[in-house]
Parts: sequence; C-alpha cells; structure tokens
Amino acid sequence: ETGVTQTPRHLVMGMTNKKSLKCEQHLGHNAMYWYKQSAKKPLELMFVYNFKEQTENNSVPSRFSPECPNSSHLFLHLHTLQPEDSALYLCASSLMNTEAFFGQGTRLTVV
Amino acid sequence: GESVGLHLPTLSVQEGDNSIINCAYSNSASDYFIWYKQESGKGPQFIIDIRSNMDKRQGQRVTVLLNKTVKHLSLQIAATQPGDSAVYFCAEIPLGGSQGNLIFGKGTKLSVKP
Repeated sequence: ETGVTQTPRHLVMGMTNKKSLKCEQHLGHNAMYWYKQSAKKPLELMFVYNFKEQTENNSVPSRFSPECPNSSHLFLHLHTLQPEDSALYLCASSLMNTEAFFGQGTRLTVV
Repeated sequence: GESVGLHLPTLSVQEGDNSIINCAYSNSASDYFIWYKQESGKGPQFIIDIRSNMDKRQGQRVTVLLNKTVKHLSLQIAATQPGDSAVYFCAEIPLGGSQGNLIFGKGTKLSVKP
C-alpha cells in the first residue's frame, strides 16, 4: 500500500447521476492531485492542490468539480458526465521535494 | 504542447535477461525525470528518479540513464523477474513544478516470459 486510499474502487453511473470520488492520505503530504488515465492515452493531470488551495486546473470541464477540505482529503464531484469520461481516476500526493505517491484509482464507467 | 513519449508500446523479455525501456522527451527545460511502474489494477509506483545534472543513477536492480544531448531517458532492469511485468512510464516535471505535477509518456508494457 502507498498510503493513498481511494474510494470507491469501481463506479458505474448514468449520465444524469451525481457521484463523488474520495481520496485520503495520511502521509503528511501538502500537495494532492487528480489524474485521469484513459485507454491508450498518457496519464493526464487534472487538478493540483497545494496546502488546500487549487493551484492548477488543466482545462478540465466543469462537470468535474474538485474539493479539498484539508491537506489529507481530496474529492472529485461528478455530474452529468459523458461516456467518454469513463476512465481510471487516480489521486496522488506529495511533498514539494519528494516523489508522488498514487492511490489505486477509481475505475469509472459512465453509461 | 511538449510531452514525454516512449519508443515502444510493448517489450517481451525472457526471465533472467536484462530489460531496457526507452523514452524520448522534448522539453529541454525540464530538469527532473521519474520512472513509474504500474501493475494491473494498481496505481503507478515510483521506481527511480534522476535530475538533469546527472547522467546515471542506480537503484536496486534498476538503472536510469539520461542523455540530455539527444533528450533520451532509459530504464534498465537487471535479471528481469516475472514480478517486473507491468506498464512502465517515464515522466518529467516541468521547470518550477512540484513533484506530482507530472507529464507522462504513453507507457511500455513489459512482459516477462518464464
């Protein structure tokens, strides 16, 4: 285990549903990230939070809404998603000068 | 934009042989590179990193080589084992970025034949 826990591991949702992904780390890291991993594409950075403040949003559609209530927790709120949003969503955390630790991901299927 | 890529999507090696996984990067301003391993059903796991002021770094059974002249990065795995079967990604950190702000390549799937 890496110390970064994501729930749920699998999620199937309809295009009209609202759901949330959760990420939790107890590594004392100050930065947390959301990545999207689609088949046959490189991992794509979505959002970066540093000390609870969003420092980067990589042109992600507004149907993805991140929330970082504290340095240990990160959420990704989902609403009115499209089938092409189906992917593995990975959370990671790090300190400023150490490697990033990834969770096991949430496999999302939009039907 | 600039990105990191890998030469081969798949690599098959015999157990016990050495593996070499290659990566080409285009952002000459990046000064920090990481190799990650991703096993099926898991998130990427850090293997080894290297900064641009180095051309070689060794870990346990792994070596990373950096050739800044041709913007080439490689990962060498000695005595490859079945447990090494996974997808390997190289990634770069943009100048000024934090450790998790990674630009990933597409990955090379390593298969180890017993």
